[in-house]
Amino acid sequence: GQQLNQSPQSMFIQEGEDVSMNCTSSSIFNTWLWYKQDPGEGPVLLIALYKAGELTSNGRLTAQFGITRKDSFLNISASIPSDVGIYFCAGRRIQGAQKLVFGQGTRLTINP
Amino acid sequence: KAGVTQTPRYLIKTRGQQVTLSCSPISGHRSVSWYQQTPGQGLQFLFEYFSETQRNKGNFPGRFSGRQFSNSRSEMNVSTLELGDSALYLCASSQPGQGATSYYNEQFFGPGTRLTVL
Repeated sequence: GQQLNQSPQSMFIQEGEDVSMNCTSSSIFNTWLWYKQDPGEGPVLLIALYKAGELTSNGRLTAQFGITRKDSFLNISASIPSDVGIYFCAGRRIQGAQKLVFGQGTRLTINP
Repeated sequence: KAGVTQTPRYLIKTRGQQVTLSCSPISGHRSVSWYQQTPGQGLQFLFEYFSETQRNKGNFPGRFSGRQFSNSRSEMNVSTLELGDSALYLCASSQPGQGATSYYNEQFFGPGTRLTVL
C-alpha cells in the first residue's frame, strides 16, 4: 500500500492564488519527484529533487527536498486554469532503482 | 522523441479471462516499469524490466507477470482476472544512468490502458 502521506487531498482555489501541497513519510527517501496527471493521461514529471535541502523551480512551480529526507513540498504561484489536475509526489528509497512509491495525490480545482 | 505508447487504450474483459497489455518505451530507453492505478490504492509499482530481465517486483500476486523484448518493448499479462483488477495500468520508461541524479534519467509515463473487468 501507499507509504507517502500527501496533503491536502483536494484544493479549491481562485485563479491567481498560490498553492502549496506536501508529502511526508516515516522513511527516508533519496529522491523526491512531483508529477501532474490530467484526465485520461499518464503522470507528467514536473520536478525531480535529489539532495536534502534542495530547492528547484520549473516556471511557476517550486519544490523542496526536506532536510530530514522524509518530506517534500510543492508550491505553485499565481495559478492559472491549466494548472487544474491531480498532483502526485513520488519517492525513491534506493538511488538508481526504478521503483517509485507514490502519494495519494492532491486534486487541484481552480475557479476562474 | 515520441513518447511512451501503450496499447490498447481501453479493454473490457470478464472474470477468469486473461489479458495482455503492451508498452513501447521512448526510443533509447531500456528500462520499463509498470504501475497499477486505482481510486482506492492509488499508484502502485508492479515490476520493472531492464535489458529483458525483471529487476524489481512489487507486492502483487503471481497472476501479474511481464516480459521485455530485445527492442525494449514490454508486455504485461494478467491471468484469471478478478473484479479488483479493474484499473488504469501505466507503463513508464527511463534510461537510468550510473548513480543518475538527473531529471532526464527519470521515468516518463504513457497514457495508460484502462482495464475494466466485468
